[in-house]
Amino acid sequence: TQLLEQSPQFLSIQEGENLTVYCNSSSVFSSLQWYRQEPGEGPVLLVTVVTGGEVKKLKRLTFQFGDARKDSSLHITAAQPGDTGLYLCAGGVNSGYSTLTFGKGTMLLVSP
Amino acid sequence: DAGITQSPRHKVTETGTPVTLRCHQTENHRYMYWYRQDPGHGLRLIHYSYGVKDTDKGEVSDGYSVSRSKTEDFLLTLESATSSQTSVYFCAISEGGRYYGYTFGSGTRLTVV
Repeated sequence: TQLLEQSPQFLSIQEGENLTVYCNSSSVFSSLQWYRQEPGEGPVLLVTVVTGGEVKKLKRLTFQFGDARKDSSLHITAAQPGDTGLYLCAGGVNSGYSTLTFGKGTMLLVSP
Repeated sequence: DAGITQSPRHKVTETGTPVTLRCHQTENHRYMYWYRQDPGHGLRLIHYSYGVKDTDKGEVSDGYSVSRSKTEDFLLTLESATSSQTSVYFCAISEGGRYYGYTFGSGTRLTVV
């Protein structure tokens, strides 16, 4: 079983601050995805990264896949209250098809 | 119009009764999944389907069965509900392959009393 460890588990910050959340594993993943989940809703896909060292930007969010494809990070610049939610990373093992293994998530609270 | 819908959104049932949750998609995606989400455990895969009548077990399949008789519908049945199955259940769909993410439904909150 491939495990994805996310840290921190909970993060409470003020609007305008920067933050980074991490997703780590001892396993190599062929792809890694980040989702955001709001209360009472299902997770929503933010990004997929598949190449070691890959960096993707989505407005104020920057996603990085580690060179060895065992870890990933999500950096948010100038956080806003609308960024509040549970951030989940999920990894796929095979280059073809595989089910995703999810981390337990980082709960982010951004206060005005 | 949402591409994936779950029903019911909320359900309270008694221990020992069978319960069926429904997932319906309009995207014609090949892959469908059932996850449960619990505090401290995150999302855990129960069962998934890779085509009509083709299903396989996930990591927490005991006490659950699934059926997929049509591309658009994936049913999850709790054969005899127990309190440990109180959870939020999510259905997801995918086109498959590592470049494709999952699209999740809004979830079903199930309480077994």
